Amino acid sequence: QKEVEQNSGPLSVPEGAIASLNCTYSDRGSQSFFWYRQYSGKSPELIMFIYSNGDKEDGRFTAQLNKASQYVSLLIRDSQPSDSATYLCAVNILTGNQFYFGTGTSLTVIP
Amino acid sequence: DGGITQSPKYLFRKEGQNVTLSCEQNLNHDAMYWYRQDPGQGLRLIYYSQIVNDFQKGDIAEGYSVSREKKESFPLTVTSAQKNPTAFYLCASSRETRGRARWIYNEQFFGPGTRLTVL
Repeated sequence: QKEVEQNSGPLSVPEGAIASLNCTYSDRGSQSFFWYRQYSGKSPELIMFIYSNGDKEDGRFTAQLNKASQYVSLLIRDSQPSDSATYLCAVNILTGNQFYFGTGTSLTVIP
Repeated sequence: DGGITQSPKYLFRKEGQNVTLSCEQNLNHDAMYWYRQDPGQGLRLIYYSQIVNDFQKGDIAEGYSVSREKKESFPLTVTSAQKNPTAFYLCASSRETRGRARWIYNEQFFGPGTRLTVL
């Protein structure tokens, strides 16, 4: 069973809309949760992390964590064409300090 | 500038040849990682190291070897035993941070990657 599951998409939203990306994880020992953005041919770039239940906002990005339901989501408000990328969800389990990644969701923002 | 560097950016390997990918960081991070990324398969962990002179196998360590003689450096050797090495290789490092209410978490940062192609 995969540690982290994401809908591979592709997800398409019009410019200015809200993009919603979802991720579920299987290990209840997961303690920190991360969203990375990866442009084609480039390495992942950390955009958000969260470790407490609830919402965390940073500019146009909001991460939401629900540990009881074992899911984490990323909302992108006022989506821009430059947000078009693959978004990777990752979880960290402190014991052993390993990171587990989903396969990513491809997002396209249509001008 | 602090960061993680990888070299070379592109690497071509002949069949039966060993090649070494370089990864250097000046972020003073203790932990370093090597991942392989194939199209549509996400990131798979090859090796990781929590501290100098110590490293552990990840999910797909066969055909790879690493060393961690210095905190700043974590080179990856792709040996001839790796049958399908063509992929995008990513090095990462992480730091332990103490947040609110003494919560400890790790943030992981990536280098720019090396694209390896077998000829």
